[in-house]
Amino acid sequence: ILNVEQSPQSLHVQEGDSTNFTCSFPSSNFYALHWYRWETAKSPEALFVMTLNGDEKKKGRISATLNTKEGYSYLYIKGSQPEDSATYLCAWDSNYQLIWGAGTKLIIKP
Amino acid sequence: ETGVTQTPRHLVMGMTNKKSLKCEQHLGHNAMYWYKQSAKKPLELMFVYSLEERVENNSVPSRFSPECPNSSHLFLHLHTLQPEDSALYLCASSQLGATDTQYFGPGTRLTVL
Repeated sequence: ILNVEQSPQSLHVQEGDSTNFTCSFPSSNFYALHWYRWETAKSPEALFVMTLNGDEKKKGRISATLNTKEGYSYLYIKGSQPEDSATYLCAWDSNYQLIWGAGTKLIIKP
Repeated sequence: ETGVTQTPRHLVMGMTNKKSLKCEQHLGHNAMYWYKQSAKKPLELMFVYSLEERVENNSVPSRFSPECPNSSHLFLHLHTLQPEDSALYLCASSQLGATDTQYFGPGTRLTVL
């Protein structure tokens, strides 16, 4: 059974603090790793697609790194703001199927 | 309309009802997907249509019946559902190719009484 694990399941962070969370995935048959942000009552929105080992992507205060050999990716948020409150999903892509993690729910406390 | 739209946004139905969920994508994509999302569980892929042909059917019970009449529209026909089918049903579309990012609709929240 192919599993994608995200940790922690939920996270409370003070506004202005930086944070990070993890996505673990199978290291074999890797094709790509996707990160999505899903705000309540909205559609999941693509953040990054990462394909190469050592890849690092950045979008404003959010960045992600990728280690395909050991099967993990980190998502970092610098200087958290209330609008960062959302569930962050990762999905492992074998070029045949996407396997999704259950998400990390991030709550920013003012 | 832009992106991916889904109707209805909320649906309550009895176990003997027949209803349909509709998805429309305005992105010119050639693949469409139905997902089920239950509380605190990962997204569960139900069906994939590529170039209007069904290419994946992940052991979904026959009480769920998809239909893709063209590349922009996707339906999920529901009949004799069970209470455990209550969930959020998400539609997505993508352009097949390298690292095909999926674009999601807002979902239909389904409650089966």
